[in-house]
Amino acid sequence: QKEVEQNSGPLSVPEGAIASLNCTYSDRGSQSFFWYRQYSGKSPELIMFIYSNGDKEDGRFTAQLNKASQYVSLLIRDSQPSDSATYLCALRTGLNAGGTSYGKLTFGQGTILTVHP
Amino acid sequence: AAGVIQSPRHLIKEKRETATLKCYPIPRHDTVYWYQQGPGQDPQFLISFYEKMQSDKGSIPDRFSAQQFSDYHSELNMSSLELGDSALYFCASSVDRGGWAFFGQGTRLTVV
Repeated sequence: QKEVEQNSGPLSVPEGAIASLNCTYSDRGSQSFFWYRQYSGKSPELIMFIYSNGDKEDGRFTAQLNKASQYVSLLIRDSQPSDSATYLCALRTGLNAGGTSYGKLTFGQGTILTVHP
Repeated sequence: AAGVIQSPRHLIKEKRETATLKCYPIPRHDTVYWYQQGPGQDPQFLISFYEKMQSDKGSIPDRFSAQQFSDYHSELNMSSLELGDSALYFCASSVDRGGWAFFGQGTRLTVV
């Protein structure tokens, strides 16, 4: 089992709809979670990070984390064609004495999102 | 704002040659991560450095080596290149091994 699993795509939604991207992880010690957007041939671009259970909103993006269920999701409201990209879920498992996560990022396989006009 | 700089952006090498990829982190970032991403694949962690010391080691082949220098830039040295090494190589940087990790634009390595 991969450490990070993302819902199989590709995901296609109409413009203006809500896109829901899901990610599960196997290590209960995972501390913080990141969503990156990657356009073809380009570098991953950080969209959101979350480390506490619950929801975190930033503009049209909402990240949701449920550590008990080992589940993290990203909702994109009012989807635009420019949101069409691969969305990568990533996590960190290290926790330092100060209580912040550290270390390498482990990525899921990504979900391809297409927003059609 | 300054970002992570990688050079070169594109590199074509023949089998069995060597290649050196460079990464210049965001100013004041002391942690560098290297990732390899094949076509249609997720980024695979290779190795990371914090304060010029190796911090984590992932699936980096023995043919590859890396280091972080006193100015915090890092170099990934790749020897005896194989066709399967063709990929996008990304470098990312962050502060104190944590926080947000920002990626450079990547180096596209093609081995022919």
